[in-house]
Amino acid sequence: DSGVTQTPKHLITATGQRVTLRCSPRSGDLSVYWYQQSLDQGLQFLIHYYNGEERAKGNILERFSAQQFPDLHSELNLSSLELGDSALYFCASSVSSGRSYNEQFFGPGTRLTVL
Amino acid sequence: EDQVTQSPEALRLQEGESSSLNCSYTVSGLRGLFWYRQDPGKGPEFLFTLYSAGEEKEKERLKATLTKKESFLHITAPKPEDSATYLCAAVNQAGTALIFGKGTTLSVSS
Repeated sequence: DSGVTQTPKHLITATGQRVTLRCSPRSGDLSVYWYQQSLDQGLQFLIHYYNGEERAKGNILERFSAQQFPDLHSELNLSSLELGDSALYFCASSVSSGRSYNEQFFGPGTRLTVL
Repeated sequence: EDQVTQSPEALRLQEGESSSLNCSYTVSGLRGLFWYRQDPGKGPEFLFTLYSAGEEKEKERLKATLTKKESFLHITAPKPEDSATYLCAAVNQAGTALIFGKGTTLSVSS
């Protein structure tokens, strides 16, 4: 158990809908990262938050957004969902601040299925 | 463009048959090389961090090494429970995120 929690574990929804994925980092970690994992693309970095502030963006679509709250939990919002958004979404946390030089610890993931 | 490539994509071993997984990287100003293990449907589990060429880390049957161009994960006398996908990731000088390879899926049969 990495200490990172994610909810829900599974999510099934329809095209065009909007969903919210939630992540709680390990105790003491201020950085939260979101990744998407699909069969053909592997693990792709989406976005990094540190202590409530956005620090870096990766291959995140405009339909996706995230935020980190004062209690450090984070939410990833996915809207206007398409079939291709079906994937595993992972949250990770670390002690790193702006630079991601330390190891990241991953949550169990949310499996999103868009029908 | 920063890139991490892992080989082979899949590896089948007999129990006790040692082997190595390769991770080659082209990353501007490597600041860290990470190895993770991932079981199907689960999150990646952290194994090792290597920061400089020549560094080695060991944990049970696993040993990770780092050169200026690649990293190796050596598996000595593997057991069926070592079956998993092993992921390599690098972080560059900008430190914006981990850049993952696509992984090597290891199957160990008894």
